Amino acid sequence: DIVMTQSPDSLAVSLGERATINCKSSQSVLYSSNNKNYLGWYQQKPGQPPKVLIYWASSRESGVPDRFSGSGSGTDFTLTISSLQAEDVAVYYCQQYYTTAPTFGQGTKLEIK
Amino acid sequence: QLQLQESGPGLVKPSETLSLSCTVSGGSIRNENYHWVWIRQPPGRGLEWIGRIYYSGTTYYNPSLKSRGTISVDTSRNQFSLKLSSVTAADTAMYYCARRNPLGHIDVWGKGTTVTVSS
Repeated sequence: DIVMTQSPDSLAVSLGERATINCKSSQSVLYSSNNKNYLGWYQQKPGQPPKVLIYWASSRESGVPDRFSGSGSGTDFTLTISSLQAEDVAVYYCQQYYTTAPTFGQGTKLEIK
Repeated sequence: QLQLQESGPGLVKPSETLSLSCTVSGGSIRNENYHWVWIRQPPGRGLEWIGRIYYSGTTYYNPSLKSRGTISVDTSRNQFSLKLSSVTAADTAMYYCARRNPLGHIDVWGKGTTVTVSS
């Protein structure tokens, strides 16, 4: 199994400030044949299913605000919210889908400071 | 717009088999671009991939389930299903059905259904 480890486990950021969440995989999720990182980011608000924000590590899903961005390659990835809004309070998960048994990080809880 | 709806018993006894179905509406489960997925989330915890199925019946499972899981598809009903045998309290969770995009990520989720394992 590829183990996904997120940091921090929780994060408090002031409105309008930048929030950064990290994700590290135990092995590379870069697929050499197409040079794509098989890494996604999801947002889960209380009582709701997750929603995809970013796929292929840095591609924003249609309809996702451009304050959300993803970066990284290989084993180290970052989700950045450039200017935190109140509606961004949620738990964020990274997921590798490089293998036939995808795995998620443990989640990062984002709150308003 | 594609929608997924989970259904099944909310309470299952230990050692019995959990059975859930997911009805796909607003699109065909036979669409060759997509796979259909089960994911679960224990209370207060993170997400665990259970497995996925293609409309042809090809399946992939999470090895951690130790062969307790079976996913099947019924194209005539536009449904796919999950059976999990020999359940214990550790199988108590919110169970989501979802769609895997051809790019690999999950792009549509059901609202989820809560399953409690208890006598």
